[in-house]
Amino acid sequence: DTEVTQTPKHLVMGMTNKKSLKCEQHMGHRAMYWYKQKAKKPPELMFVYSYEKLSINESVPSRFSPECPNSSLLNLHLHALQPEDSALYLCASSQGIRDSNTGELFFGEGSRLTVL
Amino acid sequence: GDSVTQMEGPVTLSEEAFLTINCTYTATGYPSLFWYVQYPGEGLQLLLKATKADDKGSNKGFEATYRKETTSFHLEKGSVQVSDSAVYFCALSGLTGGGNKLTFGTGTQLKVEL
Repeated sequence: DTEVTQTPKHLVMGMTNKKSLKCEQHMGHRAMYWYKQKAKKPPELMFVYSYEKLSINESVPSRFSPECPNSSLLNLHLHALQPEDSALYLCASSQGIRDSNTGELFFGEGSRLTVL
Repeated sequence: GDSVTQMEGPVTLSEEAFLTINCTYTATGYPSLFWYVQYPGEGLQLLLKATKADDKGSNKGFEATYRKETTSFHLEKGSVQVSDSAVYFCALSGLTGGGNKLTFGTGTQLKVEL
């Protein structure tokens, strides 16, 4: 199983809503990532969890709150978002830094978020 | 810091034409190099990779060789198909204390016409 599964695929929310994006992998990877991708741009790193601990936060606004309940799951909680937060949110996973690691990331299909 | 420069698009080719998308990088140490492809409305898929100098990555008719002397990882395909139409991202991976940090190029959109 070499898949990273993201739900939902599409999400529309108002600026006062609270919603969550979910990501799951069963490849035994110990690092998981959230990226944000705007149209016609490369993905931008938001957060990295390494061995279930938050290891990188790229100065992301607090209206985005990540959570890693266990080594297979990664959530991104959304609250009081702005229209400019509309984007494709990509989850990825990789081998942990203490494991045999080729540097490769495995990406999910993404969750397309629209903030009204 | 690390950086990746790839040729601007969009690139429009006729089916069966030869494809080259240039990619050069700046990095400390010896990063792994990747080409990812993104089809319309989808996430990123790894197309090919190379983990050390002179390695050649290949997949689905695409090839790229890790050239340390020219710090390049150009993507080539001898005969493109309409189904190859997508955005192609060159990337390098740096291992940090927190995980693999991918640095992407800006992406090159490829359109293949009949």
